[in-house]
Amino acid sequence: AQSVAQPEDQVNVAEGNPLTVKCTYSVSGNPYLFWYVQYPNRGLQFLLKYITGDNLVKGSYGFEAEFNKSQTSFHLKKPSALVSDSALYFCAVRDGPNTGFQKLVFGTGTRLLVSP
Amino acid sequence: DAGVTQSPTHLIKTRGQQVTLRCSPKSGHDTVSWYQQALGQGPQFIFQYYEEEERQRGNFPDRFSGHQFPNYSSELNVNALLLGDSALYLCASSLAGTGNQPQHFGDGTRLSIL
Repeated sequence: AQSVAQPEDQVNVAEGNPLTVKCTYSVSGNPYLFWYVQYPNRGLQFLLKYITGDNLVKGSYGFEAEFNKSQTSFHLKKPSALVSDSALYFCAVRDGPNTGFQKLVFGTGTRLLVSP
Repeated sequence: DAGVTQSPTHLIKTRGQQVTLRCSPKSGHDTVSWYQQALGQGPQFIFQYYEEEERQRGNFPDRFSGHQFPNYSSELNVNALLLGDSALYLCASSLAGTGNQPQHFGDGTRLSIL
């Protein structure tokens, strides 16, 4: 079965500094990877996805992610963090055959705290 | 363009009771998935509905059941509630045949079991 791991429960960064939230994956076949963000008392908002192609994926709100096949990683990055980026971030992988139906397997989440 | 809407936002039940949660998908979407997010955990897939049928199911007992209506909206039913069913229940919608496109999530229903 497909799975993702987020090794850090929390990441602390100062505003204006670059941020990285880590994710590693374990899949059979080609991975279909996603990043979502969750603000307090809200659902999940899509940030970006990797399906195929360029290893650097650009997404919403200035976020990007780097796909590394040799390290089986899909780390989320942003060059300059904002206080408003403070939230819970989830990495996810699509599970199941490519039938056109999407079932996601999520990591345990990483809380990002950006200090002023 | 209405996104995914869920109702109610909060619900308090006691052990043994039954509950029904509701979801309206994003306009243009025809597939609805339900996830359970326990406190401090990532969402876990419960099941998925398309054309009024359950298409995929996660590792959840039969106490969890669902339904999809002709207008694509969906209900999640949980019978014989346990304390461990306390969680945020998220509904996500997508368009069938677009497995590479992201699912769109609602804000969830927070269910508390006393």
